[in-house]
Amino acid sequence: GENVEQHPSTLSVQEGDSAVIKCTYSDSASNYFPWYKQELGKRPQLIIDIRSNVGEKKDQRIAVTLNKTAKHFSLHITETQPEDSAVYFCAANRRRALTFGSGTRLQVQP
Amino acid sequence: DGGITQSPKYLFRKEGQNVTLSCEQNLNHDAMYWYRQDPGQGLRLIYYSQIVNDFQKGDIAEGYSVSREKKESFPLTVTSAQKNPTAFYLCASTPPIGEDYGYTFGSGTRLTVV
Repeated sequence: GENVEQHPSTLSVQEGDSAVIKCTYSDSASNYFPWYKQELGKRPQLIIDIRSNVGEKKDQRIAVTLNKTAKHFSLHITETQPEDSAVYFCAANRRRALTFGSGTRLQVQP
Repeated sequence: DGGITQSPKYLFRKEGQNVTLSCEQNLNHDAMYWYRQDPGQGLRLIYYSQIVNDFQKGDIAEGYSVSREKKESFPLTVTSAQKNPTAFYLCASTPPIGEDYGYTFGSGTRLTVV
């Protein structure tokens, strides 16, 4: 089955800096890679996703890149703000079900 | 207002007791999923269902059971065989194949063994 590894597990940045979270996946058949943001005690919220026919996608301060050959994808957050502090999860699909990474706790210091 | 509803929000289970978590959606989504989240960890797939009257085991199905008698409903039963059930349980759904993959999550049920 699919295995998704995510790094780092914690990340602390200063407000205004950039943050990068990286994930690798194992199943070459995976073709959908979403990123979720989860605040404490809340449900995960989709923030951006990318499909395997695209190498990069951007939405305001958030971007995702995908390298299919190396089977890795990354989340980039620019100009971080305190409200970006949360746990971020990457995921890859195995047919219709998603396999999630273990999460990255991002803390943005004011 | 369309969405996916989980109930109860908090649930307490005694040792040896079966409990059922409810998940209902009015989004007309075909597929539904159950995930378990432990503190500081990612989401692990318990069961999923692509269509009514059909479901598949995920990565950690032991000690759990599900049913899918209606398109809108996908209840999860945590049986006494699940030795460590304390966790946050999330239900999700997705549109029919061919449409957007994106998951819609419920607000979760926090289960605690007492």
